[in-house]
Amino acid sequence: GQSLEQPSEVTAVEGAIVQINCTYQTSGFYGLSWYQQHDGGAPTFLSYNALDGLEETGRFSSFLSRSDSYGYLLLQELQMKDSASYFCAAPSDNLFFGTGTRLTVIP
Amino acid sequence: KAGVTQTPRYLIKTRGQQVTLSCSPISGHRSVSWYQQTPGQGLQFLFEYFSETQRNKGNFPGRFSGRQFSNSRSEMNVSTLELGDSALYLCASMESGRSYGYTFGSGTRLTVV
Repeated sequence: GQSLEQPSEVTAVEGAIVQINCTYQTSGFYGLSWYQQHDGGAPTFLSYNALDGLEETGRFSSFLSRSDSYGYLLLQELQMKDSASYFCAAPSDNLFFGTGTRLTVIP
Repeated sequence: KAGVTQTPRYLIKTRGQQVTLSCSPISGHRSVSWYQQTPGQGLQFLFEYFSETQRNKGNFPGRFSGRQFSNSRSEMNVSTLELGDSALYLCASMESGRSYGYTFGSGTRLTVV
């Protein structure tokens, strides 16, 4: 079967750095995506790691280690608007989503 | 470029009724996927359509069905609604040949009473 495990909740202070982890167990692994979803909104694509290593997009970075079946999303210089749910996802026959992490940014 | 459009935005139905939800993908995108999102189960894959053909199907009962038209617009239908079908139904479109970077619509919030 497939599974993508994430912490359910994370709280961090505005201006700080936070890391959201994702451990996976899938067959036919092709890469790891990250999506952000604000309450009542649509999931929006943030990043994709096809290869091991770090991908940086502005304040957001994503990391993948295939040997450890592990990835993470790193958010720097946290802003209040970053409060949202974050999902890792792995493409296979379809896009399989992780359990989601609710990030709360506090002043 | 217009995004993914889902209609209606909100819907209230009674148990036993049926419902049809609509999704218009981004122009030029031929792949459409549907997901059910609930607080307890997260995002669960329903089905994917590509060029009017169902390419993949998730683990949902036969009450859930869908189709895609020649203009890539897609509909999903749920018959004999149950209380547990209350959820946010999300549609995503994708460029052909890519396995990431889905663009989601804002969803249809279905409440079954």
